[in-house]
Amino acid sequence: NAGVTQTPKFQVLKTGQSMTLQCAQDMNHEYMSWYRQDPGMGLRLIHYSVGAGITDQGEVPNGYNVSRSTTEDFPLRLLSAAPSQTSVYFCASSKVRAGGGNEQFFGPGTRLTVL
Amino acid sequence: GNSVTQMEGPVTLSEEAFLTINCTYTATGYPSLFWYVQYPGEGLQLLLKATKADDKGSNKGFEATYRKETTSFHLEKGSVQVSDSAVYFCALPPSGNTPLVFGKGTRLSVIA
Repeated sequence: NAGVTQTPKFQVLKTGQSMTLQCAQDMNHEYMSWYRQDPGMGLRLIHYSVGAGITDQGEVPNGYNVSRSTTEDFPLRLLSAAPSQTSVYFCASSKVRAGGGNEQFFGPGTRLTVL
Repeated sequence: GNSVTQMEGPVTLSEEAFLTINCTYTATGYPSLFWYVQYPGEGLQLLLKATKADDKGSNKGFEATYRKETTSFHLEKGSVQVSDSAVYFCALPPSGNTPLVFGKGTRLSVIA
């Protein structure tokens, strides 16, 4: 198993550009999510999905779109990049079992800089 | 909604010192509880977990006991090493439509 993969590892954008961060998992996990981590700060949830065709907003959804057309993929789209979106982005996935106890598996992260 | 409160860092310790990182939670029912660790330049990985009250999770010399009475899940290690330098996150896992909830993270630096 490759686990959770993210591409690209690094990206530099200019203000106003759009791009898609890719996330894929091969563990047949229902739950997938995107976080951003800013220097010295914890993780903030952007969007999450509990299954194909279902997405919901997290704590900081503005400026980002997601879709979940397959179980495996959960891309994150930046519509019009802003310097405030400079961050490290992590994708995660897990099973969703009743009662919780579901380990999250994290991708290696994408470091995004917006100039 | 669910929430996790963990002690703010940074924490700096000498090698072989005792470590405690406090974590308390607010949630409906009795969820599982997790500690994740993030080593420099890497993603997060599960350190340990406990799935019910009074359970003790342990891994790599770290322990945490699920205390229902105090809604706490404090992380402890008896003798830290330089290689334990990392950021530690307490977390409530996703359940149903409720997403994963993280604490803000505690940065630990261990000096030789």
